[in-house]
Amino acid sequence: QLQLQESGPGLVKPSETLSLTCTVAGGSISSNVHYWGWIRQPPGKGLEWIGNIYYSGTAHYSPSLKSRLTISVDTSKNRFSLKLTSATATDTAVYFCARAGTSSNEPYDLWGRGHLVTVSS
Amino acid sequence: QSDLTQPPSASGFPGQSVTISCSGTYSDVGLYNSVSWYRQYPGKAPQVMIYEVTKRPSGVPDRFSASKSGSTAFLTVSGLQAEDEADYYCSSYGGDNIVIFGGGTKLTVL
Repeated sequence: QLQLQESGPGLVKPSETLSLTCTVAGGSISSNVHYWGWIRQPPGKGLEWIGNIYYSGTAHYSPSLKSRLTISVDTSKNRFSLKLTSATATDTAVYFCARAGTSSNEPYDLWGRGHLVTVSS
Repeated sequence: QSDLTQPPSASGFPGQSVTISCSGTYSDVGLYNSVSWYRQYPGKAPQVMIYEVTKRPSGVPDRFSASKSGSTAFLTVSGLQAEDEADYYCSSYGGDNIVIFGGGTKLTVL
């Protein structure tokens, strides 16, 4: 059964780069033509879409984060990653990775458990 | 793109029906039949309950139904049960390969 697992530092200093990885277990990230996405949730607040990536490497970003964001995929390691530069306290959130359907407009049907990242000195 | 607008809270007694709205614009909810609804329990990941405006994934009870009128989508939970108490989020395709979420609605079963 396919599972997603987020990993990375739980604490990031302001102005540094927030980096997270989502490892796909129980299946190949490139065997099915899915989009793979990142969604975050600040403490006590709602969901915010960050972006997604296709196994081929084509990525789409939230306009509000685009200038600081890079999402990449490593099919050899069956994982995809997020890098958010110039982190501030407003980037403090639980970060979820998730699988969407075969196009960018399809829902996220499989989610990781989430990973809390705190931006603080 | 702005967040979709949802009421912050909704409530009902067991057995009743509750409807949650999700207001967008012509450029997102109004234009695309790509509205989804997610349920999230505290401390857990969201789970998709509705996709493509009205479709239920396998395993989602038929107590959950949804519709769309113009730029507003609706989620109805019928026969409310205690386990339905959770946060509910709508999302929509916003064009240009972006996704928009609503601010979320906390559903309380009284």
